[in-house]
Amino acid sequence: QSALTQPRSVSGSPGQSVTISCTGTSSDVGGYNYVSWYQQHPGKAPKVLIHDVSKRPSGVPDRFSGSKSGNTASLTISGLQREDEADYYCSSHAGTYTFVFGGGTKLTVL
Amino acid sequence: EVQLVESGGGLVKPGGSLRLSCAASGFTFSSYAMNWVRQAPGQGLEWVSAISSTSTYIHYADSLKGRSTISRDNAKNSLYLQMNSLRAEDTAVYYCAREGGNYFNDYWGQGTLVIVSS
Repeated sequence: QSALTQPRSVSGSPGQSVTISCTGTSSDVGGYNYVSWYQQHPGKAPKVLIHDVSKRPSGVPDRFSGSKSGNTASLTISGLQREDEADYYCSSHAGTYTFVFGGGTKLTVL
Repeated sequence: EVQLVESGGGLVKPGGSLRLSCAASGFTFSSYAMNWVRQAPGQGLEWVSAISSTSTYIHYADSLKGRSTISRDNAKNSLYLQMNSLRAEDTAVYYCAREGGNYFNDYWGQGTLVIVSS
């Protein structure tokens, strides 16, 4: 159950787009279309942004989008806003009723 | 409104035990699988354990396997995590989370802090 690999940090200016990658293996990200993404502000609980690779729960702005190619999933945030500054985590199904998270990416809005 | 409220955290000595609880409301608890996820101070999220809606399927992360037991009481709308032989590296905020569908967590509690220290 090794953690998925995410960049430690990314940054962008308001209005720009950023993409956060999440690399796993054929046993998790590459093996299932069950990748999800979470946003976490300091001192708060995580909030789901994307599930099933690219599906957005109701209430999540369409500025957030997800995709996957092989063993790597990606979260793209377009039209960056100040309130997007947070930590972002990917997660993947990793076999019967097990999950694995990425190490997290800190997004700084310049 | 879906609510998940964890309790039971606190300061415990290495080797000690703790039972975490999660009270659920605002949805049909018995219809959903549930998870425990933890976050060590300044660190990332780590999945800890999962239990299916009827307790038929139970799984643990390697880090807590053999030292913890997840359970639920659907009549009381409650989820539990019994942790034994606690170590300093188990210090973390423990979140309970509802599994909303295909292996993702759509609702999370605010977490309960467990500190393992002598």
